[in-house]
Amino acid sequence: QVQLVQSGAEVKKPGASVKVSCKASGYTFTSYGISWVRQAPGQGLEWMGWISGYNGKTNYAQKFQDRVTLTTDTSTSTAYMDLRSLRSDDTAVYYCAREGAASAPSDWGQGTLVTVSS
Amino acid sequence: QTVVTQEPSLTVSPGGTVTLTCASSTGDVTSDYYANWFQQKPGQAPRALIHTTSKRHSWTPARFSGSLLGGKAALTLSGVQPEDEADYYCLLYYTATQRVFGGGTKLTVL
Repeated sequence: QVQLVQSGAEVKKPGASVKVSCKASGYTFTSYGISWVRQAPGQGLEWMGWISGYNGKTNYAQKFQDRVTLTTDTSTSTAYMDLRSLRSDDTAVYYCAREGAASAPSDWGQGTLVTVSS
Repeated sequence: QTVVTQEPSLTVSPGGTVTLTCASSTGDVTSDYYANWFQQKPGQAPRALIHTTSKRHSWTPARFSGSLLGGKAALTLSGVQPEDEADYYCLLYYTATQRVFGGGTKLTVL
C-alpha cells in the first residue's frame, strides 16, 4: 500500500531553516509528483508547491517562492521541503501528498510539526 | 489575491443530505479548475475524497459526490453518517503555480 512517512517534529529559532523529509513506498516514485501543504494551528490548509518525482521540475506558490526549495532523491524515494528564514508564523504542520494525474493529491503523509520560537 | 470561499459551518441530521460549496473570487468554477475535496478529522492528516470535480478515489464511499452547481464546485453527502463529522476543504487549480484551498467547512452531524 502507498505510504508517505515524514520526519519528526522540529523546533527552530526565527531566521533558521528547516528541512522536512517525506519517504515514499508502495508505488513507483518517479511516476508521481509530490505536493507540500501546510496548516497553521487552528487554521486551514495552504498549498506551498509541487515537485515532479520524474525529473525534479518544481512549481512554487508565489508566497513561498523566495524561501522554499523542494527536492527529491529518487534513489531513496524521498522528497524534501526546505524552508528558510523562518518566522513565528511559519509554525505549522507540514504535509506531503502524492499527486497523480489532474493535479490530484491523493495519499498524504502524517504531517510534521515545525515550531518557530525564540 | 484569489480567494476560495466555503461555508464556515453546516449542520446536518444523521441520514440526511447536505451540500457544501466552493466559490472562486475570480468567477464561476468550471471543470478547468479540477476541484478536489478533502476531509479532515481532528489530529489527522487530510483524506482525499474527490478529484477532477466529480471523481471519487477508490476508497471514497459512494455517499460522497462532487459536482458543479450554480458556478461553484459542490460536495454532496447523502445518507450522512455520524463519522462524517469533520472539516471539509476544497482545492482549486488555477495555474501550475497557483492552487488555492478554501477556508474549510466544519460539518456537524446532530
